[in-house]
Amino acid sequence: DGGITQSPKYLFRKEGQNVTLSCEQNLNHDAMYWYRQDPGQGLRLIYYSQIVNDFQKGDIAEGYSVSREKKESFPLTVTSAQKNPTAFYLCASSKGLAGGRSYNEQFFGPGTRLTVL
Amino acid sequence: AQSVTQPDIHITVSEGASLELRCNYSYGATPYLFWYVQSPGQGLQLLLKYFSGDTLVQGIKGFEAEFKRSQSSFNLRKPSVHWSDAAEYFCAVGLPGGGGNKLTFGTGTQLKVEL
Repeated sequence: DGGITQSPKYLFRKEGQNVTLSCEQNLNHDAMYWYRQDPGQGLRLIYYSQIVNDFQKGDIAEGYSVSREKKESFPLTVTSAQKNPTAFYLCASSKGLAGGRSYNEQFFGPGTRLTVL
Repeated sequence: AQSVTQPDIHITVSEGASLELRCNYSYGATPYLFWYVQSPGQGLQLLLKYFSGDTLVQGIKGFEAEFKRSQSSFNLRKPSVHWSDAAEYFCAVGLPGGGGNKLTFGTGTQLKVEL
């Protein structure tokens, strides 16, 4: 079955540590995204990538980093510079904008809940 | 500033009753419009989308939504709610012209269904 996997489902971090959240998709999608979800605030975009080896900052990129070395993978690192990292993190993917399409819907993974101890 | 508003944080309905969840957006042009649903601790599932054409769109699980340009709204409806519909619902918009396929989400409406 095609889909998006995120691991781990739960992650605990000590203050001052960097942690990396995994996101893998087998949908052959060109674009991938990372969102942060906090209660009552909806989803906020952290980073997105429209193609391999390229990515852009979203609305709340400070304290986060990403890489896009493979089409299928878009890992997110939460660095020690992120002051309040406890949240639910969602990865998504979508088809690219080639072929004249002006938009494509996003498909979401099951999420990773990060807690800072 | 561009924004998406879901004015109802929580809604409670009885099973079998009708449902309408409100969504308003503030953009200079007609955006692409989406409704997603999220069960506790899970990812988001796409219910329906509006890109162009017929302003009444049908989605999965018996949901529909109507785009009203004059009111900048895209309200979600269901004629008869089932207990399994209890979840959080998010309205999202995408800017025309691509914008990198980015979505802006509302803050969500939590739906409770009373048996």
